[in-house]
Amino acid sequence: AQSVTQPDIHITVSEGASLELRCNYSYGATPYLFWYVQSPGQGLQLLLKYFSGDTLVQGIKGFEAEFKRSQSSFNLRKPSVHWSDAAEYFCAVGASTGGFKTIFGAGTRLFVKA
Amino acid sequence: EAGVVQSPRYKIIEKKQPVAFWCNPISGHNTLYWYLQNLGQGPELLIRYENEEAVDDSQLPKDRFSAERLKGVDSTLKIQPAELGDSAVYLCASSGGTGGANVLTFGAGSRLTVL
Repeated sequence: AQSVTQPDIHITVSEGASLELRCNYSYGATPYLFWYVQSPGQGLQLLLKYFSGDTLVQGIKGFEAEFKRSQSSFNLRKPSVHWSDAAEYFCAVGASTGGFKTIFGAGTRLFVKA
Repeated sequence: EAGVVQSPRYKIIEKKQPVAFWCNPISGHNTLYWYLQNLGQGPELLIRYENEEAVDDSQLPKDRFSAERLKGVDSTLKIQPAELGDSAVYLCASSGGTGGANVLTFGAGSRLTVL
């Protein structure tokens, strides 16, 4: 069965600083990997996804993520954080085993200070 | 294009009362999901529908939870009777169409408070 670990419960960065959110997954085969963002009182919105091919994927809002098979990681990055990026970020892994199932990590809450 | 629509957005009930949540997925999305999100946690799958068939309900507490998707479009999730521990956000999501079968689009959620 697949699983996802987000080691950081919360992270605080200054506006304009770079950001990296960590995600480690466990799955026997090549997984489908996702990052979603959730603003307060809202549902989850897809930032980016990795299915195959180039291991560096670009997403919306200036985010990118890199799949590293050797480290079982899919870390999310942004070179310069804006105050509007403050939200909860969820890494997820999907697998086609008896139907497609998506498992989410516990999330990392991002705080942005002025 | 309208997104995934959920109602009500907020519901406060006393324990042992029934409650129901409604979800209308994106048009053309054959797969519909109900997720439970506890405070400070990621979403956990309750049930997944392919059209009107529940293909994965292994995590649905069937003693008090039920769900239906009668015509393969909108869906209802019911809790009867509600317990204090059911206080959470209930998220509906759908997938399929041009977005692909593996990408979920979520509604805003229904926040339940059980007193």
